[in-house]
Amino acid sequence: AQSVSQHNHHVILSEAASLELGCNYSYGGTVNLFWYVQYPGQHLQLLLKYFSGDPLVKGIKGFEAEFIKSKFSFNLRKPSVQWSDTAEYFCAVNYPRERDDKIIFGKGTRLHILP
Amino acid sequence: EAGVAQSPRYKIIEKRQSVAFWCNPISGHATLYWYQQILGQGPKLLIQFQNNGVVDDSQLPKDRFSAERLKGVDSTLKIQPAKLEDSAVYLCASSLMGVRDEQYFGPGTRLTVT
Repeated sequence: AQSVSQHNHHVILSEAASLELGCNYSYGGTVNLFWYVQYPGQHLQLLLKYFSGDPLVKGIKGFEAEFIKSKFSFNLRKPSVQWSDTAEYFCAVNYPRERDDKIIFGKGTRLHILP
Repeated sequence: EAGVAQSPRYKIIEKRQSVAFWCNPISGHATLYWYQQILGQGPKLLIQFQNNGVVDDSQLPKDRFSAERLKGVDSTLKIQPAKLEDSAVYLCASSLMGVRDEQYFGPGTRLTVT
């Protein structure tokens, strides 16, 4: 079955630390990949997405993600986090050539940045 | 531009009662989604509309859940009768054309079934 795994459920970092959140999807083939973020008290919003082309994707607020097809991964990174990055992060995958052409979300990673 | 509107924001009901949620998507967005998000999990798609037609409802428990999208704009999601395990946040989202477009989420309705 199609699925998305986020290995870290809760991450705590200090400001200026580097961040990498893991995301793996269940099997190969054509995929579209997304990271969504939910800041405290706000709605879910798109951080970045990958459809094709350059596997290193840059998003808003200094975030980037790298698509590694051989590892079925789409990890989210930020070189230096800020207190305002405290939020919950969701990885999501879509298989556009499958009959079930829908987005599947991971369980989320709650990120807490210490000031 | 105005975002996705949902009401009510909170609802507490007893099991076996019925409840309805309302969503008004962003104007001009053809695709509308209803998700269920149980505490500690990611959003799970319940139903996806393209205009007023259903694209995917494979994860909608059809014996108790129903949804409609009137005239391809507003949508309602109903649960009848509710079970304890239906306690969750129900999110509505919309996108311009389909899943590859950015989804804009509403604030959600937090349902507690006692």
